[in-house]
Amino acid sequence: DAMVIQNPRYQVTQFGKPVTLSCSQTLNHNVMYWYQQKSSQAPKLLFHYYDKDFNNEADTPDNFQSRRPNTSFCFLDIRSPGLGDAAMYLCATSGSGEVEQYFGPGTRLTVT
Amino acid sequence: QKEVEQDPGPLSVPEGAIVSLNCTYSNSAFQYFMWYRQYSRKGPELLMYTYSSGNKEDGRFTAQVDKSSKYISLFIRDSQPSDSATYLCAMKDDYKLSFGAGTTVTVRA
Repeated sequence: DAMVIQNPRYQVTQFGKPVTLSCSQTLNHNVMYWYQQKSSQAPKLLFHYYDKDFNNEADTPDNFQSRRPNTSFCFLDIRSPGLGDAAMYLCATSGSGEVEQYFGPGTRLTVT
Repeated sequence: QKEVEQDPGPLSVPEGAIVSLNCTYSNSAFQYFMWYRQYSRKGPELLMYTYSSGNKEDGRFTAQVDKSSKYISLFIRDSQPSDSATYLCAMKDDYKLSFGAGTTVTVRA
């Protein structure tokens, strides 16, 4: 089945220690998104790629960066995680012009 | 003021009851109005979406949009324990989805 896969599902990192979350998709969609969802809060868009074109939301902290080496993969790098970065990180994809975004299962990040 | 407001609940109903969920929004530029369902420890999945004001029905689910009041609703008829989840409204403007915080629903057997 075509899908969006996120690894790892659970990640524990230490305060200030860089961490990378990964997302892959078999849907061949050209648009990929990263969202941050804190407990009982709305998912918040961090950035998105339209093909290789990177788009950063204005309020996304500089601590967060992303890479998309090819159509299938996208990475979220958190350079120096703080306690406030503990959250569920959701990757999503969509086809060009499509309304629906397809979400992966998320990576739950804990910062100790 | 948040762009999208959604009552977080929680909402607990007996099996077979009608579940009523709603959201309000402030951005007139929103074009698509969606409802996502999110089970515990899973990503959101799209239930249904509408483009304009009016009603849309899909099985036991009915979505309503009133653009003049900036108000959307989701009704679940004959609710089942398997409907227990968090329901998020979302609205699309160009590329971006703006979500509500979600309403957690429990359907008691």
